[in-house]
Amino acid sequence: EEQLVESGGGLIQPGGSLRLSCAASGFDVTNTYMGWVRQAPGKGLEWVSVIYGGGRTYYADSVTGRSTISRDSSKNTLDLQMNDLRPEDAAVYYCVRRIIVADTYHFDHWGQGTLVIVSS
Amino acid sequence: DIQMTQSPSSLSASVGDRVTLTCRASQSINNFVNWYQQKPGKAPHVLIYGASTLQSGVPLRFSGSGSGTDFTLTISNLQPEDFATYFCQQSYMTPRTFGQGTKVEVK
Repeated sequence: EEQLVESGGGLIQPGGSLRLSCAASGFDVTNTYMGWVRQAPGKGLEWVSVIYGGGRTYYADSVTGRSTISRDSSKNTLDLQMNDLRPEDAAVYYCVRRIIVADTYHFDHWGQGTLVIVSS
Repeated sequence: DIQMTQSPSSLSASVGDRVTLTCRASQSINNFVNWYQQKPGKAPHVLIYGASTLQSGVPLRFSGSGSGTDFTLTISNLQPEDFATYFCQQSYMTPRTFGQGTKVEVK
């Protein structure tokens, strides 16, 4: 069964750093389009970052320069390193997998989410 | 970035009702729209992709339509388990932006 399980969330002070991890099972993260989507409390969904199968990466303007997405093939995980955290980064962070079906794209698997709280 | 605007932001309906949710893109995105359902405390999951293709396992009372800039999600014969928040998303270009969501509540 294909599954995504996030970890690494918690309470962090403004300006601090955090590394989120997403353990994949049932498929190989290598050569797979994977990403992160976040949701602030009571708010909508915000696309954060993606890594293409070939390794290209993209970031939302809100996290550009402060975040790095990466894959660890030995652990079959997707990671998101976030630095200089701000109160507006507080959210549930979801790991997602994108698939291509009939030339269209969608997120077919989501993790359960990991909560990041940014507060002093 | 492509802006996705959903309307209404919330609606009240009863079991058995037919409800229609709309999503408008700030530019033409062909049929590159997905619809996700989210229940409180849970991760979203896809209902419809490519504007009108039903994800495997999703009940046939859900349907999607549209192309270009205007899209709809219709739920016919609303069931108790359908009270949730629905998000559209464009998959035309990065960043793959979402609408702000429509909450379907019990009347």
